[in-house]
Amino acid sequence: SYVLTQPPSVSVAPGQTARITCGGDNIGSKNVHWYQQRPGQAPVLVVYDDSGRPSGIPERFSGSNSGNRATLTISRVEAGDEADYYCQVWDARSDYVFGSGTKVTV
Amino acid sequence: QVQLVQSGTEVKKPGSSVKVSCQASGGTFRSYDINWVRQAPGQGLEWVGGIMPSLGTPNYSQKLRGRVTITTDESTSTAYMEVSSLKSEDTAVYYCALVSSGTVFDYWGQGTQVTVFS
Repeated sequence: SYVLTQPPSVSVAPGQTARITCGGDNIGSKNVHWYQQRPGQAPVLVVYDDSGRPSGIPERFSGSNSGNRATLTISRVEAGDEADYYCQVWDARSDYVFGSGTKVTV
Repeated sequence: QVQLVQSGTEVKKPGSSVKVSCQASGGTFRSYDINWVRQAPGQGLEWVGGIMPSLGTPNYSQKLRGRVTITTDESTSTAYMEVSSLKSEDTAVYYCALVSSGTVFDYWGQGTQVTVFS
């Protein structure tokens, strides 16, 4: 089965930049999506198809994907960005796959 | 804007079944790929299975295949997920999530807590 690897946690000071990685075998050939989940709430899509941004998501959220690593970047981090972040892909053998999640602490 | 509204909290005994509903509004129900994702306490997200109403053929995760059944009722724009032979490990929040195009979960329901407790 296809596996996505994320760091368990990332700490960042307000106003700085947070980078969350998502590792997978040749992940650069897949479309990667990122979700933000605050405690007790449903996930919210923040980046789709590697670098697309849904309506209503701040420009501070951006994504990239190449080789064996995809990255979600949060610029000018705010207290409200504190949450769990999950990457997700679709794989022909594994269907929908989520990363293990990264807790961002501000 | 699509909205997904799920049924309420369930408490079940081991070995029993649970059926959770997800009603969609604001879009064209039959053109979407409707999926179920669960999250055990303190854990990450896990895909359970999905169905496209226009095709009618569901697809399930290998882990739950044989115990989960996903169906739809186009007349009410509602999707259902039933899990049988419940175990304590099935205790989780179950979300319905909609794919409108590609492979991304664009919209999510509010979640349904299912607790398996003897």
